[in-house]
Amino acid sequence: DSGVTQTPKHLITATGQRVTLRCSPRSGDLSVYWYQQSLDQGLQFLIQYYNGEERAKGNILERFSAQQFPDLHSELNLSSLELGDSALYFCASSSNPSGQENEKLFFGSGTQLSVL
Amino acid sequence: AQTVTQSQPEMSVQEAETVTLSCTYDTSESNYYLFWYKQPPSRQMILVIRQEAYKQQNATENRFSVNFQKAAKSFSLKISDSQLGDTAMYFCACFLNYGGSQGNLIFGKGTKLSVKP
Repeated sequence: DSGVTQTPKHLITATGQRVTLRCSPRSGDLSVYWYQQSLDQGLQFLIQYYNGEERAKGNILERFSAQQFPDLHSELNLSSLELGDSALYFCASSSNPSGQENEKLFFGSGTQLSVL
Repeated sequence: AQTVTQSQPEMSVQEAETVTLSCTYDTSESNYYLFWYKQPPSRQMILVIRQEAYKQQNATENRFSVNFQKAAKSFSLKISDSQLGDTAMYFCACFLNYGGSQGNLIFGKGTKLSVKP
């Protein structure tokens, strides 16, 4: 168990809809990363937050947004969903206040999104 | 652009034998770390081994070891005494540390390893 919790595990929705994926980082971790894993694109970095602030942005579509709350949990919002958004979405956390091994990312078990 | 390349989409190995998975990377950053992650059929991402780029000594974790060639930007994973439980997708990854709590972990496309009894 990595200590990172993602909910829900599975999500089935229709095109055009909006969904929210939730992530609770490991206790004490300040950074949250979101990744999308699809068969054709592999693991793509979407966005990173550190202590509530956006720190790095990857290949995140404008239809997607994220935020990190004061309690450090994070949500990834996906809107106007398309068939191609079907993928496994991972959250990972790192960066505990001790400053040690902040480059080690611990992954949640993912949310499988199916857009029908 | 930073890239990680795994040139072997699939590999297989007999149980108890040794296998090496290849990875090359390209980055202009000087502060980075290299990783191998394992993704079994459960789809959980599991950290296998980590290498600091500033260290010349190759990392080792039990049956897993790496061959880090910094000049060649090569980072291969050797699995000794392969076990059935090693069957998984293996991802090579490079963490770029931009400072100021900003980082990015970039993954290769993966190598699917099958361990045969």
